[in-house]
Amino acid sequence: DTEVTQTPKHLVMGMTNKKSLKCEQHMGHRAMYWYKQKAKKPPELMFVYSYEKLSINESVPSRFSPECPNSSLLNLHLHALQPEDSALYLCASSHHHLTGTAGEKLFFGSGTQLSVL
Amino acid sequence: QQPVQSPQAVILREGEDAVINCSSSKALYSVHWYRQKHGEAPVFLMILLKGGEQKGHDKISASFNEKKQQSSLYLTASQLSYSGTYFCGTEPRAAGNKLTFGGGTRVLVKP
Repeated sequence: DTEVTQTPKHLVMGMTNKKSLKCEQHMGHRAMYWYKQKAKKPPELMFVYSYEKLSINESVPSRFSPECPNSSLLNLHLHALQPEDSALYLCASSHHHLTGTAGEKLFFGSGTQLSVL
Repeated sequence: QQPVQSPQAVILREGEDAVINCSSSKALYSVHWYRQKHGEAPVFLMILLKGGEQKGHDKISASFNEKKQQSSLYLTASQLSYSGTYFCGTEPRAAGNKLTFGGGTRVLVKP
């Protein structure tokens, strides 16, 4: 199994809703990532988990709350989002967190297309 | 800081060649190349770790000039399946092991 699976594929939510995005991989990878991608823009790093611990938080607003329950799962909890948060949210994984010399490659999921009304 | 990619877009006929460039203002550990088709996940193409290193995947190859912090992706004898947006990702030596993507190059290969 060389896939990163994200659910749901599409999500529409109001600004007062609470929802969660889910990501799962069974490749034994110990690093997992959340990226945000606006239309016709590159993916932008949000969070990195390494061995189930939050390693990098790119100053993301607190209305986004990541969680890594175990080495295979990654969640992104959403609360009180703004319309400008509408985007494609991509999950990725790699064997280990980038170290600069190990040549880690990222495996991406197909993403959750989020619309905030 | 985001690496700079050029050109922003390129249109090719099947069988033609193209070069996509990626440059960074910072010293780099590595350069990654990914391709994303519309509505799909970005897919890893290759990673370059050492200055001067060249790697190839089918008829897609890349080089890395460590001194200039530049990488180029070469699409040779392009096929229809090469269409998509190509992103370079750079891992700066001083950036805490983060992969930052360039703005992307949209490639359209026509029959």
